[in-house]
Amino acid sequence: TQLLEQSPQFLSIQEGENLTVYCNSSSVFSSLQWYRQEPGEGPVLLVTVVTGGEVKKLKRLTFQFGDARKDSSLHITAAQPGDTGLYLCAGDRTDKLIFGTGTRLQVFP
Amino acid sequence: ETGVTQSPTHLIKTRGQQVTLRCSSQSGHNTVSWYQQALGQGPQFIFQYYREEENGRGNFPPRFSGLQFPNYSSELNVNALELDDSALYLCASSSLTSGGGNEQFFGPGTRLTVL
Repeated sequence: TQLLEQSPQFLSIQEGENLTVYCNSSSVFSSLQWYRQEPGEGPVLLVTVVTGGEVKKLKRLTFQFGDARKDSSLHITAAQPGDTGLYLCAGDRTDKLIFGTGTRLQVFP
Repeated sequence: ETGVTQSPTHLIKTRGQQVTLRCSSQSGHNTVSWYQQALGQGPQFIFQYYREEENGRGNFPPRFSGLQFPNYSSELNVNALELDDSALYLCASSSLTSGGGNEQFFGPGTRLTVL
């Protein structure tokens, strides 16, 4: 049973388009993190959201934590080829991270 | 500030063998967590070490074991390797403190192939 489901699983878009990645669970998490991972490397932390309803912006990336702290979304505005990678959400569950299934994003110039 | 480092970067073993992977945590961090990432999937939590003791374990058999040393570096040992153990093994360091947000910083991983 996968606690955190991400959608879509794959996304292939042109440079300049907008996109949203969803991370959904039936469980409550004390916090949720988003990571980006490139081939041959470990995940790199993008943001941590802690409060239900919280919205955080990181340049062209907007992260939202659901009011009930069960789901989250990542919105990218005007995607660029440098945004290409595997995006992972991870919920904090008593000192261990539960990772989502991942969304592989490819942005073509 | 030194980030998380792992060694070796790649490793090839055969079924039944044993392997040891190493991780040096980021400066100032006292906790190390290990994850297994199969191809095309998200990382799966193996276990975490804090103050040289296991502090939480995922759904992995006892042949997966670990150690943490006084300098907070860590080892992951896997005995009786199976083909399904082929994966990217990730180490993450963090600093357990009160308050929210268990932010973990990952190393580049060790790619293990079991033939």
